[in-house]
Amino acid sequence: GENVEQHPSTLSVQEGDSAVIKCTYSDSASNYFPWYKQELGKGPQLIIDIRSNVGEKKDQRIAVTLNKTAKHFSLHITETQPEDSAVYFCAASPYNQGGKLIFGQGTELSVKP
Amino acid sequence: SQTIHQWPATLVQPVGSPLSLECTVEGTSNPNLYWYRQAAGRGLQLLFYSVGIGQISSEVPQNLSASRPQDRQFILSSKKLLLSDSGFYLCAWSARGYTGELFFGEGSRLTVL
Repeated sequence: GENVEQHPSTLSVQEGDSAVIKCTYSDSASNYFPWYKQELGKGPQLIIDIRSNVGEKKDQRIAVTLNKTAKHFSLHITETQPEDSAVYFCAASPYNQGGKLIFGQGTELSVKP
Repeated sequence: SQTIHQWPATLVQPVGSPLSLECTVEGTSNPNLYWYRQAAGRGLQLLFYSVGIGQISSEVPQNLSASRPQDRQFILSSKKLLLSDSGFYLCAWSARGYTGELFFGEGSRLTVL
């Protein structure tokens, strides 16, 4: 089955710097790759996603890139702010398996003012 | 608009006692439904998913079971809790027939003593 690896597990940056989180997946048939942000004690919320027919997608300060050949995708956050501090999860959706998502282990991002 | 409700929010149970966590979705029909567990505040592990009433797929062998008695109701149960069942349980839904965003509930924190 699909397996998703996420790195780093923790990331600390200064306010205004960029943050990059990387994920690899194992199932070449996976075709949907979302990123979720989870604040303390709450359920995760989608922040950006990308499908396998696209190499890059951007939404204001966040962007995601996908390399299907290498089976890895990355989240880029520019001009980080303290409110970006949270746990971020990448995920992959195996093709034709009811839309389920297989998540990475999570990255705890801390943005220091 | 669609909403997802999950309860109870917190639960402290003794080892060997039964468990019932309930999740309901409003504002949509025929959703895919999911139960995830998050141990130690990190990685999301898919436990069960359902594409219809009475249709449950189990992802990992364990002490838990799931049921879907109605289209928008998903229940997570156990007959006898183990210490290892402690964690943060998240219910989620997605639109049927479309691989896309999962919408998560606020979670249920279970502590087994």
